[in-house]
Amino acid sequence: NAGVTQTPKFRILKIGQSMTLQCTQDMNHNYMYWYRQDPGMGLKLIYYSVGAGITDKGEVPNGYNVSRSTTEDFPLRLELAAPSQTSVYFCASWMRETQYFGPGTRLLVL
Amino acid sequence: GESVGLHLPTLSVQEGDNSIINCAYSNSASDYFIWYKQESGKGPQFIIDIRSNMDKRQGQRVTVLLNKTVKHLSLQIAATQPGDSAVYFCAEPDAGNNRKLIWGLGTSLAVNP
Repeated sequence: NAGVTQTPKFRILKIGQSMTLQCTQDMNHNYMYWYRQDPGMGLKLIYYSVGAGITDKGEVPNGYNVSRSTTEDFPLRLELAAPSQTSVYFCASWMRETQYFGPGTRLLVL
Repeated sequence: GESVGLHLPTLSVQEGDNSIINCAYSNSASDYFIWYKQESGKGPQFIIDIRSNMDKRQGQRVTVLLNKTVKHLSLQIAATQPGDSAVYFCAEPDAGNNRKLIWGLGTSLAVNP
C-alpha cells in the first residue's frame, strides 16, 4: 500500500488564483481529513469526510472547499488564494483510532 | 530534561539521556490519547496510544504515562537518539466526535550529539 499520497509537494500561487490539492489513500478508509499547519504551530482541521458523498467543516473552513466522490480521493480546493493561506497542508485518513498522514503540500501565496 | 505546556516549547537533551515530554489534556471523558512524532518536512507519524483505563503503556524505548487526576499525559523516550529529534504532539478525541482529534501545540525535541 502506498498509504496517503498528496500532490503537489510544493506550489506557489498568486493572490486570487485557484488550485486543487490532491489527496488519495489506498487503504479503503472511510474517514479522511484536511489540516493546515502554519510554521511552528500545531494542526488545524479544515474539513473532514466520513465517507463518499459526506463532508463536514472543521475549525478553519473559510476559503476552502472539498468533495468526496470516491472513498479513495479527497481533494481540497482553494478558489481565491490569499496570503493567509500560505501554509503546509496535510491530508490524513483514519483507522482504528489512528490517523495516517500524507507527506504534505507546501503552499506559498504571494 | 522535561518540558511542560502546549506552547511549542523546545526541549534540548544530550544523546543517550532520557527525555520527558508533557501534555495537559482537556476532556476527562476521553477514551484514549495518542502521541505523534513529526520530523522536519514530513507529516505526523503515530508513536503510541494509551486507553483511559490504563496508567502506563510501554513501547520500544517509549513509555506513556497517564494521570487522570490532573489530566496530564507524558511521553518518556529512553536513551534519546539523534533520530528522535522532531516535534511531538499529543492528541485526544473530540468530545463531540471521536473520529476527530484535538491536537496539542507540540513540543520540539532537539537531541545534541
